[in-house]
Amino acid sequence: NAGVTQTPKFRVLKTGQSMTLLCAQDMNHEYMYWYRQDPGMGLRLIHYSVGEGTTAKGEVPDGYNVSRLKKQNFLLGLESAAPSQTSVYFCASSYFFSTDTQYFGPGTRLTVL
Amino acid sequence: AQTVTQSQPEMSVQEAETVTLSCTYDTSENNYYLFWYKQPPSRQMILVIRQEAYKQQNATENRFSVNFQKAAKSFSLKISDSQLGDTAMYFCAFVFTSGTYKYIFGTGTRLKVLA
Repeated sequence: NAGVTQTPKFRVLKTGQSMTLLCAQDMNHEYMYWYRQDPGMGLRLIHYSVGEGTTAKGEVPDGYNVSRLKKQNFLLGLESAAPSQTSVYFCASSYFFSTDTQYFGPGTRLTVL
Repeated sequence: AQTVTQSQPEMSVQEAETVTLSCTYDTSENNYYLFWYKQPPSRQMILVIRQEAYKQQNATENRFSVNFQKAAKSFSLKISDSQLGDTAMYFCAFVFTSGTYKYIFGTGTRLKVLA
């Protein structure tokens, strides 16, 4: 039981490049989330999903897209990376929506030059 | 707008002593949940404790307990018998249970346990 895993752990992009971050969970959780963590700030919700095939915007969705084609996977895409997207990205999942404990992945450190 | 404030950016405590981390929040909601998460140097966030706003009794998990004061909108975390492994960033978080989904984190308190 690996819990929540994220791929890759580190990545450096040039402005304008695209990439996809992969989040996988093996706990059969319905709900999955993508957050970003910036220095001096708490985590901010980018997008979330309440089930396979569904996604919704969070607090800071601009510049990101997501997909949940399979229940266990939640992908975060950056179509045209900008330096403002330099951050640590965390994926999380939970069984019940909003009120349940969220289980977090180890994070992906992304630098956009 | 809902906000979560952690007014102590950094704290330190001697091993085996007790420390309290403060968290205040602002909301007009009546039904919500509060969480404390720990983020050790490994970076992976781990749940420490969870409190339902409708429960008056303070939550307790082994050495961790909260002082939840709903009227004052305060949710502090007490760590008893501090251990070196408690060294981490601690985040307070607030979750709505009605209307638009909101999961709001504070900016964190960096706790260092000294040997």
